[in-house]
Amino acid sequence: GNSVTQMEGPVTLSEEAFLTINCTYTATGYPSLFWYVQYPGEGLQLLLKATKADDKGSNKGFEATYRKETTSFHLEKGSVQVSDSAVYFCALSDQVQGAQKLVFGQGTRLTINP
Amino acid sequence: DAGVIQSPRHEVTEMGQEVTLRCKPISGHDYLFWYRQTMMRGLELLIYFNNNVPIDDSGMPEDRFSAKMPNASFSTLKIQPSEPRDSAVYFCASAEGIDGPQHFGDGTRLSIL
Repeated sequence: GNSVTQMEGPVTLSEEAFLTINCTYTATGYPSLFWYVQYPGEGLQLLLKATKADDKGSNKGFEATYRKETTSFHLEKGSVQVSDSAVYFCALSDQVQGAQKLVFGQGTRLTINP
Repeated sequence: DAGVIQSPRHEVTEMGQEVTLRCKPISGHDYLFWYRQTMMRGLELLIYFNNNVPIDDSGMPEDRFSAKMPNASFSTLKIQPSEPRDSAVYFCASAEGIDGPQHFGDGTRLSIL
């Protein structure tokens, strides 16, 4: 079945550092790919998405490119802030029966120190 | 705009008791999803509805779990009887249309003693 694998956390960086969180997937067909972010005590929020190969999703300085050849969707940010501390989830959509049935990775906890 | 509203935020109860979790989706959204989040298994889809009709309940762990959506603005997830292994954070999410992003509530943290 479809699956998503993320780099294990926790990841700890200093403010203004460059961030990469790796995500690879296994899927039949051509799923859409997503990054969600979860702040403490809150639900998940959609950060960005890409729906086809070579698409780049971007939001709030974060970017991820849908790489079909390497089945990857790595999350990057050039200069992180303390407010980026959260848990990040990579996900793919398993469009079955007309709805986006999301399959999530395990999540990567990110801590940014001032 | 009001987001997805879940209640209660926290629930602590004893093993064997009935637990009911509630969700109010965003107005106008026609898809509703129930997820469970645990350290061991991560985030799992339990069931989802389209226009109040359950479409896929293959993620519901066992018969002790049931979910209903009596109208477009309300859904419940019930566990009866509850067990300690049901302790988790339960999220509700809603979406508009086949391609709409899923909007999550803040979750219910459930502890079964």
